[in-house]
Amino acid sequence: DTGVSQDPRHKITKRGQNVTFRCDPISEHNRLYWYRQTLGQGPEFLTYFQNEAQLEKSRLLSDRFSAERPKGSFSTLEIQRTEQGDSAMYLCASVPPLSTQYFGPGTRLTVL
Amino acid sequence: GENVEQHPSTLSVQEGDSAVIKCTYSDSASNYFPWYKQELGKGPQLIIDIRSNVGEKKDQRIAVTLNKTAKHFSLHITETQPEDSAVYFCAAGYNFNKFYFGSGTKLNVKP
Repeated sequence: DTGVSQDPRHKITKRGQNVTFRCDPISEHNRLYWYRQTLGQGPEFLTYFQNEAQLEKSRLLSDRFSAERPKGSFSTLEIQRTEQGDSAMYLCASVPPLSTQYFGPGTRLTVL
Repeated sequence: GENVEQHPSTLSVQEGDSAVIKCTYSDSASNYFPWYKQELGKGPQLIIDIRSNVGEKKDQRIAVTLNKTAKHFSLHITETQPEDSAVYFCAAGYNFNKFYFGSGTKLNVKP
């Protein structure tokens, strides 16, 4: 257990619905990353925050995706108008200064 | 951007044998190379990492080697045990920023 928590662990939704995931990083870790992992593949970078500032977004992050990290603590990732192609594991990584990334358990999204 | 390739995609070994997983990267600016183990339904867990100023690093039964000139790095697991069975991912990054992951190796250790 890395100390990074994600909620929910599993989410099943119907196409067109909105979903929101939450990540609680390790306290005092100033950076937080979101990745997406599809079956049989490695994680792919989506976006990252340093404190409350969102500093980079991947081209994978379409305008249906939005992420926030209010007050530099927990982070949320929202997907609007979900599509079947959004089905994946969404991983959050907590990162202390000048150190590596520690992943949470992930949220598995299934879009029917 | 960076491109990381990983081989083999599956690896089956007998308990007690060694396992080797190889990765190549494309961006010479990458200077940090972690390895993660992922069990079913769980997030990736860091098992070992290496920085570009080091050629080899060892932690008990696990070792990683890096060849910067050839842009490849490898994970070596000795005396494999059934609990080593999992999917292993290599990754490359610059200064602990976003990581680029390989496609994973499913290791099966047969008792």
